[in-house]
Amino acid sequence: ETGVTQSPTHLIKTRGQQVTLRCSSQSGHNTVSWYQQALGQGPQFIFQYYREEENGRGNFPPRFSGLQFPNYSSELNVNALELDDSALYLCASSPGRNTEAFFGQGTRLTVV
Amino acid sequence: QKEVEQNSGPLSVPEGAIASLNCTYSDRVSQSFFWYRQYSGKSPELIMSIYSNGDKEDGRFTAQLNKASQYVSLLIRDSQPSDSATYLCAVNRQGGKLIFGQGTELSVKP
Repeated sequence: ETGVTQSPTHLIKTRGQQVTLRCSSQSGHNTVSWYQQALGQGPQFIFQYYREEENGRGNFPPRFSGLQFPNYSSELNVNALELDDSALYLCASSPGRNTEAFFGQGTRLTVV
Repeated sequence: QKEVEQNSGPLSVPEGAIASLNCTYSDRVSQSFFWYRQYSGKSPELIMSIYSNGDKEDGRFTAQLNKASQYVSLLIRDSQPSDSATYLCAVNRQGGKLIFGQGTELSVKP
């Protein structure tokens, strides 16, 4: 157990809808990163939040957005869902920006 | 060229053997390197981190880093069936972005 919790664990959405995924970071960790993992691939970096500020973004379109709250929990929002957005979404919590990252159990998103 | 590349699997070893997993990376300024284990249907679990050249041992696991060759490896001694999983190599880019390889599937046969 990493102490990182994500909700929900599974989700089915229709193309064009919007979705919000949630993550509670490990106690004492001020950095949260989000990753997308397609089947058979390694996780792909979406973005990172450090002390409520975005601290880097991967090659994902603007319809992927997020925020971090004062308690360092975080949300990932995806608008205008596409079929290719179907993936495992992973939240990783770190004690700092360049330190070890610990993953939550993930949210399996299916877009139909 | 991918930023982080791992040898293609699946890798099959008999129980009790040494499993050797390899990874190369392209960004010379990378400073932190990690190995994650991912069981089917689960999230990645951090098993080793290494920051300086040489070997780092933790139980049956040894990580090896060679920054001049841009190479990092993971050795698993006395492999057990419970080690069967996908192993992901990750490199920490400046600012905390983790770049992952595609993973190597390891199968340990009893």
